[in-house]
Amino acid sequence: DAKTTQPTSMDCAEGRAANLPCNHSTISGNEYVYWYRQIHSQGPQYIIHGLKNNETNEMASLIITEDRKSSTLILPHATLRDTAVYYCIVGETSGSRLTFGEGTQLTVNP
Amino acid sequence: EPEVTQTPSHQVTQMGQEVILRCVPISNHLYFYWYRQILGQKVEFLVSFYNNEISEKSEIFDDQFSVERPDGSNFTLKIRSTKLEDSAMYFCASTLTDTVWGLYFGPGTRLTVT
Repeated sequence: DAKTTQPTSMDCAEGRAANLPCNHSTISGNEYVYWYRQIHSQGPQYIIHGLKNNETNEMASLIITEDRKSSTLILPHATLRDTAVYYCIVGETSGSRLTFGEGTQLTVNP
Repeated sequence: EPEVTQTPSHQVTQMGQEVILRCVPISNHLYFYWYRQILGQKVEFLVSFYNNEISEKSEIFDDQFSVERPDGSNFTLKIRSTKLEDSAMYFCASTLTDTVWGLYFGPGTRLTVT
């Protein structure tokens, strides 16, 4: 699986958009970008995934650059409950394992 | 919303003892997983299970570990002879199809080996 690079930590004001970047310059053509998050010591939670088109669901939006070498997860109106470690993972859609990295600690401040 | 449940939430055991961690996946899911997270470290894949067989296992999942789906609802992880380094949060996960997106994780069992 391709490697990802994320900032260690980010801060965001409550009610503002949180934009979390991820670099995945070695992504291959059949690899997807997945985002999960982990709220303090809880089990990871799936957020969104995409291949090359931008995606949106009730939790977030995913913007993937045209060359697919980077992406941004957008939480449009961050709340205190969005404080968590956010993981950007790249891999094929099928198969068994998710390979988690260090992720980005997002802290949403009041 | 359906959820994965795990019991116990916290298990304390002595080194060398056997432990069984229990999980109830979402009822119509077919693929089951165990992950673990040592305190302060990354979430690591242990094993995947489908159709009553192990699909894939990591290098961590050695002969001390086993998994079982003893009935139609439970999915268990057994550690035969626990070591201090087995202390970690153990997360069960399930999914309906063989995709790595949309995994539903349980809340975890904190295993402390003394």
